[in-house]
Amino acid sequence: DGGITQSPKYLFRKEGQNVTLSCEQNLNHDAMYWYRQDPGQGLRLIYYSQIVNDFQKGDIAEGYSVSREKKESFPLTVTSAQKNPTAFYLCASNTGPGANVLTFGAGSRLTVL
Amino acid sequence: AQSVTQLGSHVSVSEGALVLLRCNYSSSVPPYLFWYVQYPNQGLQLLLKYTTGATLVKGINGFEAEFKKSETSFHLTKPSAHMSDAAEYFCAVRTHNNNDMRFGAGTRLTVKP
Repeated sequence: DGGITQSPKYLFRKEGQNVTLSCEQNLNHDAMYWYRQDPGQGLRLIYYSQIVNDFQKGDIAEGYSVSREKKESFPLTVTSAQKNPTAFYLCASNTGPGANVLTFGAGSRLTVL
Repeated sequence: AQSVTQLGSHVSVSEGALVLLRCNYSSSVPPYLFWYVQYPNQGLQLLLKYTTGATLVKGINGFEAEFKKSETSFHLTKPSAHMSDAAEYFCAVRTHNNNDMRFGAGTRLTVKP
């Protein structure tokens, strides 16, 4: 079945460490997104990519980095510059601009110790 | 830019009672509107969407929503709540010419036996 796979499901990090969250999709979608979810704040857009080798900052890109070397993959690196990285991270994809809905992965929960 | 406001971060209903989750949007151009549901530690699933045409849209699990342009609202309803409806619900808006989907802060629905 087609879908989005995020890994790991749970991740613990010490302060000062960089971590990379994986997002892979086999839906042949052009666009991919990373959202951060905190209680009571809904989903906030970190980065998105509409095509391979291109990506744009969302509302809260500081302290994060991404790459889009392959259509299927959109990894997110949470760097040590991110001051409050503990959160639930959701990856999503769709076919591009228009009425298309987003398909979401199951999420990755990052906890900084 | 478009935005979404969900009124009420928590809603509690009895099993069998009407469910009403409120969503108001702001958009300078005709919006596309969505409701998503999230179960604990999972990604978001699409419940229903409005793009154009009929303003009353039906979704999965007996949910429906009505687009009211004059009130800039897209409230979600279900005539009779079921225990399995307990989850967090997100309203979202985007416009037809961009790939930027904006989410509300979410409403947590509790269903009492």
